[in-house]
Amino acid sequence: KAGVTQTPRYLIKTRGQQVTLSCSPISGHRSVSWYQQTPGQGLQFLFEYFSETQRNKGNFPGRFSGRQFSNSRSEMNVSTLELGDSALYLCASSVLAGGPYEQYFGPGTRLTVT
Amino acid sequence: LAKTTQPISMDSYEGQEVNITCSHNNIATNDYITWYQQFPSQGPRFIIQGYKTKVTNEVASLFIPADRKSSTLSLPRVSLSDTAVYYCLVGDRTGANNLFFGTGTRLTVIP
Repeated sequence: KAGVTQTPRYLIKTRGQQVTLSCSPISGHRSVSWYQQTPGQGLQFLFEYFSETQRNKGNFPGRFSGRQFSNSRSEMNVSTLELGDSALYLCASSVLAGGPYEQYFGPGTRLTVT
Repeated sequence: LAKTTQPISMDSYEGQEVNITCSHNNIATNDYITWYQQFPSQGPRFIIQGYKTKVTNEVASLFIPADRKSSTLSLPRVSLSDTAVYYCLVGDRTGANNLFFGTGTRLTVIP
């Protein structure tokens, strides 16, 4: 079974631009979560989607948004990029939402904002 | 929402058994305890999960005392490749606690 895939793997953007990252979950998984990881803040939860609905949201500004499609694929968007948005963005999928269900993580998208 | 406390870092020599303890004094009746491992520039990987007593799989054991206010991840005979960050999560089947990873414990295995 194929794992979680994320595209693109690397991205360089300029401050003020916007970016869209994509995540394809494991087949049959209906929950997708997004995380931001930086050396200073560690692994921080952004949001979780299940059946096209945002189920949980972390403490991030409204510039960070996401959505999930009917095939469970998910995208996250960051508008008006800031230098502090440079990070590894990880996507994880699980069979069901929330709960102690095993999350499977993708390789991440490394975003650099200059 | 963080409900757990772990040591920030630990060092161990190759071949030794490593025990990483996680405190979760406010654990609720329906909460499970889950551990993840993360290598640099990779996403976390599920290691083990338990509710009470002891759980063992091919890579680790999880010990949970009767009061469930703490848990200990045990890694037998660690190797250099076990150098990673280990996260302890506590949560039930309805909330978001299983989504918050905290700072984890950075384990360094020394040759």
